[in-house]
Amino acid sequence: SQELEQSPQSLIVQEGKNLTINCTSSKTLYGLYWYKQKYGEGLIFLMMLQKGGEEKSHEKITAKLDEKKQQSSLHITASQPSHAGIYLCGVKPDSNYQLIWGAGTKLIIKP
Amino acid sequence: DAGVIQSPRHEVTEMGQEVTLRCKPISGHNSLFWYRQTMMRGLELLIYFNNNVPIDDSGMPEDRFSAKMPNASFSTLKIQPSEPRDSAVYFCASSLIVFPAFFGQGTRLTVV
Repeated sequence: SQELEQSPQSLIVQEGKNLTINCTSSKTLYGLYWYKQKYGEGLIFLMMLQKGGEEKSHEKITAKLDEKKQQSSLHITASQPSHAGIYLCGVKPDSNYQLIWGAGTKLIIKP
Repeated sequence: DAGVIQSPRHEVTEMGQEVTLRCKPISGHNSLFWYRQTMMRGLELLIYFNNNVPIDDSGMPEDRFSAKMPNASFSTLKIQPSEPRDSAVYFCASSLIVFPAFFGQGTRLTVV
């Protein structure tokens, strides 16, 4: 079965610094989805990546997909307290609707 | 639009009782997902509806769980009888396409 590994599990970053979170799949992926979750709240969809080499940005968050490595990286530039939360990646192993979920990366921003 | 609305936000019930969780998807969305989230198991898909029809309920833990979608604007997830191991946060999500784009705030269920 397909598995997702997110790294790091947790991250503490000084406000204003850049950071990168990775999501690696054990098998070929047909789509990769990034979400953010604040404690006690629902998930917020950030971005969807479907093609190798694809890169998308939303405000100060950029995500890239390396199809060969079966990996995606999410990069935050000049982090702010509002970026704090848990970042989850989800992968479609096929064209079906099911998502395989990573365990999440907990991001803490130090003022 | 107010987004996906779930109720109640918190539910505490005694073991053996029936629990009903409710979800109102975003108007016009034709895909609805029910998820369960725990520290141990992360996010688990329980059931997926498309155009009000259950497409996949293989994630429903056992016969104690049932879900319905009588119309495009309402869905319920029922647990009867509830057990302590059902304690989790239950999310409903809706979308126009086949991935969960918009999540509700969740229902935190505690079974004592």
